Amino acid sequence: ETGVTQTPRHLVMGMTNKKSLKCEQHLGHNAMYWYKQSAKKPLELMFVYNFKEQTENNSVPSRFSPECPNSSHLFLHLHTLQPEDSALYLCASSHPRGPNEKLFFGSGTQLSVL
Amino acid sequence: GESVGLHLPTLSVQEGDNSIINCAYSNSASDYFIWYKQESGKGPQFIIDIRSNMDKRQGQRVTVLLNKTVKHLSLQIAATQPGDSAVYFCSWYLFMDTGRRALTFGSGTRLQVQP
Repeated sequence: ETGVTQTPRHLVMGMTNKKSLKCEQHLGHNAMYWYKQSAKKPLELMFVYNFKEQTENNSVPSRFSPECPNSSHLFLHLHTLQPEDSALYLCASSHPRGPNEKLFFGSGTQLSVL
Repeated sequence: GESVGLHLPTLSVQEGDNSIINCAYSNSASDYFIWYKQESGKGPQFIIDIRSNMDKRQGQRVTVLLNKTVKHLSLQIAATQPGDSAVYFCSWYLFMDTGRRALTFGSGTRLQVQP
């Protein structure tokens, strides 16, 4: 659909679990993003990667650990999460071309922390 | 993807009517703005964009208006259809502490189209 695929679509985990979210883009983009979407703060930026290098960490707790092995793949490793971390986690990608930079989003992973 | 929506402002319109969704943005230095549409179970999808040197831009059935003086964006949807039912977000670029630009989103408006 959008060229950005996220897995799994749904995830339920306990607070002591370790899990990972995966994102893959087929658009040839060089920038990838993680956003968190919840009822309290819709679409909050978490991390930005440009050409595999992290360029933005928006004061995200260390229990969220991103990994970007190449420009097409992005992971979000989760450990010892809290119930308030339950949210929709969205991945996006873009091709930086100066000021007109549109983001393309995946469908998200709906995370529930018990 | 139902995390968002419990407390969103809602606009309810009749099918065939025109819809106007408003947004106030925070950064007077923003030079580029995007409207996104998010349907249930999907991620946000690009609708239309506008640069700060323009006041109006038209797409297919959609028009974006920009008023930089009062930092206000609006999205107009002509002849609203049931398929337009979704949450609509405005977005703009904000400079982060790193000095880099990042896309920031407004709180969203839920559009409900009544048949």
